[in-house]
Amino acid sequence: GQNIDQPTEMTATEGAIVQINCTYQTSGFNGLFWYQQHAGEAPTFLSYNVLDGLEEKGRFSSFLSRSKGYSYLLLKELQMKDSASYLCAVRGSGNTPLVFGKGTRLSVIA
Amino acid sequence: DVKVTQSSRYLVKRTGEKVFLECVQDMDHENMFWYRQDPGLGLRLIYFSYDVKMKEKGDIPEGYSVSREKKERFSLILESASTNQTSMYLCASSPGQQQGEQFFGPGTRLTVL
Repeated sequence: GQNIDQPTEMTATEGAIVQINCTYQTSGFNGLFWYQQHAGEAPTFLSYNVLDGLEEKGRFSSFLSRSKGYSYLLLKELQMKDSASYLCAVRGSGNTPLVFGKGTRLSVIA
Repeated sequence: DVKVTQSSRYLVKRTGEKVFLECVQDMDHENMFWYRQDPGLGLRLIYFSYDVKMKEKGDIPEGYSVSREKKERFSLILESASTNQTSMYLCASSPGQQQGEQFFGPGTRLTVL
C-alpha cells in the first residue's frame, strides 16, 4: 500500500522559520515533490527531491531521507502570503502517478 | 510557460444530468490526470492517461469515465451526476515516461443539486 502522512495544520509567526514534515510508505520510490496551494487555487510546484539531502531554492528548502521515508519543507523569513496548504507527493516505481498527502494548512500570523 | 486550462471555473448541475469537464494542455505532454479534492481527504486520483485513446483507473473511478481522443485534451464525464460528486475537480499534465512535475489547471468547482 501507499501512505503519506503530514500534519493537518500549523501556525507560525511572520518572519519566523517553519518546518513541515512528511513521512511516506510507498511501493518503490522515484522522487518526492512539494506543492503549494492557496485557497481556491490550483497547486503549484515548489520542489523536487530524488536523492538524499537538502535542496535550496530561495526562502524554501526541501530535505529528503530515503532510508527513513522522510522529507521536510523548510520555509524561512515567513511572509503573510505563505499562508497556504502545502502538499507532499511521492512518485513510486515505474510510471505510476504521484500519490499526494492530504496537505498541511499553514497559517502565518503577525 | 505550460498552460493547463479547464472549461469552467464553476458549474452547477442537477442530479442525474450528464456532465462533461474538459481539460486542455498546450505543452505536448503525454500524461494527463483527473483528481477531485475534498476537505480532509486531499487530492484523490480518478483517472489518468499516458497516451491518446489510453486510460487507466485511479483510486476512485466509480461514477466517472474519461475520454482522450487528442493528445492535448482529456475529458472527465459524469454519466449521471449525484450530490456526492460535488467537489473541486483538478486536471493535471506532465511530460514523458518518468512523469516529472505535474502542472495543474485552475480547477472546476462542481455543485450537484
